[in-house]
Amino acid sequence: QKEVEQNSGPLSVPEGAIASLNCTYSDRGSQSFFWYRQYSGKSPELIMSIYSNGDKEDGRFTAQLNKASQYVSLLIRDSQPSDSATYLCAVNDYGFNKFYFGSGTKLNVKP
Amino acid sequence: DAEITQSPRHKITETGRQVTLACHQTWNHNNMFWYRQDLGHGLRLIHYSYGVQDTNKGEVSDGYSVSRSNTEDLPLTLESAASSQTSVYFCASSESRDGHNIQYFGAGTRLSVL
Repeated sequence: QKEVEQNSGPLSVPEGAIASLNCTYSDRGSQSFFWYRQYSGKSPELIMSIYSNGDKEDGRFTAQLNKASQYVSLLIRDSQPSDSATYLCAVNDYGFNKFYFGSGTKLNVKP
Repeated sequence: DAEITQSPRHKITETGRQVTLACHQTWNHNNMFWYRQDLGHGLRLIHYSYGVQDTNKGEVSDGYSVSRSNTEDLPLTLESAASSQTSVYFCASSESRDGHNIQYFGAGTRLSVL
């Protein structure tokens, strides 16, 4: 069973701070890594994807991948109350086209 | 715009009844998936399909079935609903882009089995 682990939180940060969300995965064959944002009562929404070691930036979001450590993270700069949600980490093995999800980290951004 | 739609959005049924949840996507994606989401368990894969007439069991498939007669639809059937199947159900489809699979979700169906 391929596992994706996340700290369930809640992670509380003040408005304007950097939120750091972390994820580890068990399968070294994983090739694609994703972060989904899920607001309460809504469906997961893809916000970031990363495929190579290093950093990938998109606006206030930065995804970081370290395949040797089997670790992927999401940084949210200048956190806003509207960023308050549960963030799901997902990994995919292209050959099998199945996605494995962590249980999510709940982020609270306090005004 | 292409999209993935689920119906109904909310459903209340009784134990023992057969229930079918619909999923329809207009992206022409070959790959479709059904998940359930419960507190403390995250997203768990129920069934998935890689194309017409192809169906596969996920990690929590007992009590569920799917069929894939066309590219657009993957209905999920609960043969005899049980209270343990009260959950939020998400349908998803995925596309391949630049050698990587990317998955998108429908809005979900909240099912209560009484």
